Amino acid sequence: GQQLNQSPQSMFIQEGEDVSMNCTSSSIFNTWLWYKQDPGEGPVLLIALYKAGELTSNGRLTAQFGITRKDSFLNISASIPSDVGIYFCAGRATGTASKLTFGTGTRLQVTL
Amino acid sequence: DGGITQSPKYLFRKEGQNVTLSCEQNLNHDAMYWYRQDPGQGLRLIYYSQIVNDFQKGDIAEGYSVSREKKESFPLTVTSAQKNPTAFYLCASSRHRMGQGGNQPQHFGDGTRLSIL
Repeated sequence: GQQLNQSPQSMFIQEGEDVSMNCTSSSIFNTWLWYKQDPGEGPVLLIALYKAGELTSNGRLTAQFGITRKDSFLNISASIPSDVGIYFCAGRATGTASKLTFGTGTRLQVTL
Repeated sequence: DGGITQSPKYLFRKEGQNVTLSCEQNLNHDAMYWYRQDPGQGLRLIYYSQIVNDFQKGDIAEGYSVSREKKESFPLTVTSAQKNPTAFYLCASSRHRMGQGGNQPQHFGDGTRLSIL
């Protein structure tokens, strides 16, 4: 099956700092999704990307669909305490219908 | 409000017992999914259904069963054959159906945490 590597696994940052995380797949994807999960809750969709090279923003969040179609990046600018949580990337490989492959998550902790 | 409702929030299973997790959606989505989440890992697909009365195995289907008798409902049964059932179970749905193409994102419920007594 598809392999999806997400990094970093965890990060501690100070409030106000910018954050970057990325995902790399072993297969070409036609969709990249970024989710955030708070403890004890389900993941919430942040950004969806459908086209190679696409750059999409949602408030302080910006995500990009890599040109090679095998990677994606998520940036958070000027982090605030409520950004704490686990961020997951997910992708859909060509020919896999609606099945998604998920990364292992990036745990973000923000200190004041 | 439209959304995905999972119940119960917490569930305990005795040895040798089957338990059923409920998932209901009122988003009129065609496709529904069940995932298992273990600490420090990503979500792993158990079963998915693209249309009523049809479903397919995901990557870790052994020890689980599902049904899709209604569009709104996709219950998951954790059978006694699943020897390590302790996990957080997530249900999702999307507006997508095989053959229609489209890459609509999946939306999740708030999960059910299953533990062994």
